[in-house]
Formats: sequence, C-alpha cells, structure tokens
Amino acid sequence: AQSVTQLGSHVSVSEGALVLLRCNYSSSVPPYLFWYVQYPNQGLQLLLKYTSAATLVKGINGFEAEFKKSETSFHLTKPSAHMSDAAEYFCAVSETGNTGKLIFGQGTTLQVKP
Amino acid sequence: GAGVSQSPRYKVAKRGQDVALRCDPISGHVSLFWYQQALGQGPEFLTYFQNEAQLDKSGLPSDRFFAERPEGSVSTLKIQRTQQEDSAVYLCASSLDGGVNTEAFFGQGTRLTVV
Repeated sequence: AQSVTQLGSHVSVSEGALVLLRCNYSSSVPPYLFWYVQYPNQGLQLLLKYTSAATLVKGINGFEAEFKKSETSFHLTKPSAHMSDAAEYFCAVSETGNTGKLIFGQGTTLQVKP
Repeated sequence: GAGVSQSPRYKVAKRGQDVALRCDPISGHVSLFWYQQALGQGPEFLTYFQNEAQLDKSGLPSDRFFAERPEGSVSTLKIQRTQQEDSAVYLCASSLDGGVNTEAFFGQGTRLTVV
C-alpha cells in the first residue's frame, strides 16, 4: 500500500530564503506524486505533479520538486520565500488503479518571517 | 459554477444529531471524491463516485456515514448520530475523469463541530 511521510510539521524561513519541504513516499509501483497548498479556510490547490515524465517538475508560484527514485523522495523547493507562501503544504501519492484517489501526508506548515 | 462549492461552510451539531453536507462539483466533472481532514492532519479518503455510481466507499469510517450522488452531479454526505470524533473538515473534490493525470479541484470544505 502506498503512503506518504512529510518530515517536519512546521518549517520557518525568512523572507527571501530557500524553502525546502520534505516528502518521502512508499509505493510498490511507479508512483504519481503531488504537492498541494492550503491557505487558511481554503480548499487545496494543486502546486505541481509528477507523472513519470521529467523528474524535475515545475509548478505554480515558483515552486518545483524533484522525483528521486533512489531516495523515494519528492521534496518541494522554492529559491526565495515570499510572505504570501505562508500556508499548509501537503504531499500526496495517487493510489494504484488510476482512480484519482489520493493518499496525503500529514502536512507541513510553512511560516515566512519578515 | 466556477469551482467546487460546498455547503454549509460551518456546521455545529449536537452529539446524536444527523447532518447532511452538500457538494456541487464543477459542471461536467465525472468524478467526485469526499475526504475527511481532522485538525492538524492531512485529508483522508472517504468515498469516490464516477457519475452516479459509488465505486469506492472503503474510507467511510462507520455505517453512520452515507454518501450519494443520485443524478451524477450534486453529492451529499450524510452522517447519522454524530459523535465528537466526527468533528473535522469535510472536503469535496471533483475531476473531469478521475484519472491520475487529471487535476482534482477541491472545495473550501465544511467544518463540522460536534458538541
């Protein structure tokens, strides 16, 4: 069965600093991986997804993630944090069977300090 | 509408009360998902519809939870005899065809508080 682990429930960075949010997955088959962002009192918004094409995936708002099979990781990065990036971030893996059902990690809260 | 709409946004229920949560998916979207998000946790899958057919209800935590989508559009998640552990945000998502390559669009959720 697939699972997702997000290391660090809270990450704090200064504005302009590198953002690194960690995600490791467990899957017996090549996975489809996703990062979602959730702003307070909002639904989840897709940042980017990996579907076995390029291992470096670029998303919205300057975020990108790299799929590393050897490390079973899909970490999210952004070179320079902005105050508006403060939110909850979720990594997810799609369950096998192509149903679109997602298995989420527990989330990482990103705080951006001025 | 422009996005997935859920109502009510907030619901306070007394323990033992029945509640019904509504989801209006994006028009034309075939697939519809319900997730439960407890405080400080990631969303957890509840159930999945393709049109009016409920293809997977493996995530429903008990027989007190029931979901329907009778005409393949609007869906209702019903919880009978609510208990405190049912307190959570209930998220609805829809996608064009439910495949992994198709983006799922999420509603803002319904925050249920059972007192």
